[in-house]
Amino acid sequence: LAKTTQPISMDSYEGQEVNITCSHNNIATNDYITWYQQFPSQGPRFIIQGYKTKVTNEVASLFIPADRKSSTLSLPRVSLSDTAVYYCLVDKSSGDKLTFGTGTRLAVRP
Amino acid sequence: EAQVTQNPRYLITVTGKKLTVTCSQNMNHEYMSWYRQDPGLGLRQIYYSMNVEVTDKGDVPEGYKVSRKEKRNFPLILESPSPNQTSLYFCASSFFAPSSYNEQFFGPGTRLTVL
Repeated sequence: LAKTTQPISMDSYEGQEVNITCSHNNIATNDYITWYQQFPSQGPRFIIQGYKTKVTNEVASLFIPADRKSSTLSLPRVSLSDTAVYYCLVDKSSGDKLTFGTGTRLAVRP
Repeated sequence: EAQVTQNPRYLITVTGKKLTVTCSQNMNHEYMSWYRQDPGLGLRQIYYSMNVEVTDKGDVPEGYKVSRKEKRNFPLILESPSPNQTSLYFCASSFFAPSSYNEQFFGPGTRLTVL
């Protein structure tokens, strides 16, 4: 089971770019990397998913180096509404369970 | 509107009194699962279901039961709740199991307190 490691918390200010790095040293060849966002008392919400190199959507970018042992979620120009917990998951390519870690609590200040 | 619904949203009960938390999705998803969330422990999977009549244990199944008689519904049953089951519970669904490129859709959560 590929385990992920993320910083427990991060602080930022409005308008800054935030990069959250996730370590997944035991990632398997066919595993995807997925990020979710969770606001207090709400269910997690899918942000982005990727396999290698770079993926970008309207919300974020995901950078994955060639060895795939880590990944970085990049949030451009954060606002107060980006204050949330961000989870990095590695989708098991050969199983049906989904394991969330404790996530990174991002606090965006004015 | 495509969504996952849970009921009730809030529940206070007493030890040993059987309860059921319902979960329903209208997206024709094959995969459904239940999670509990506790401070400092993140989200932990309780049970999951690949399809009708197919269920399996997640990481913390003790004290819980589930059933999948219909594709859209996946109720969570606590036969004899105990205070250590006080938690925030989330139901989720997706087209396929998390072993392929797919997105999990989460319900709004059920906050359960067992006295």
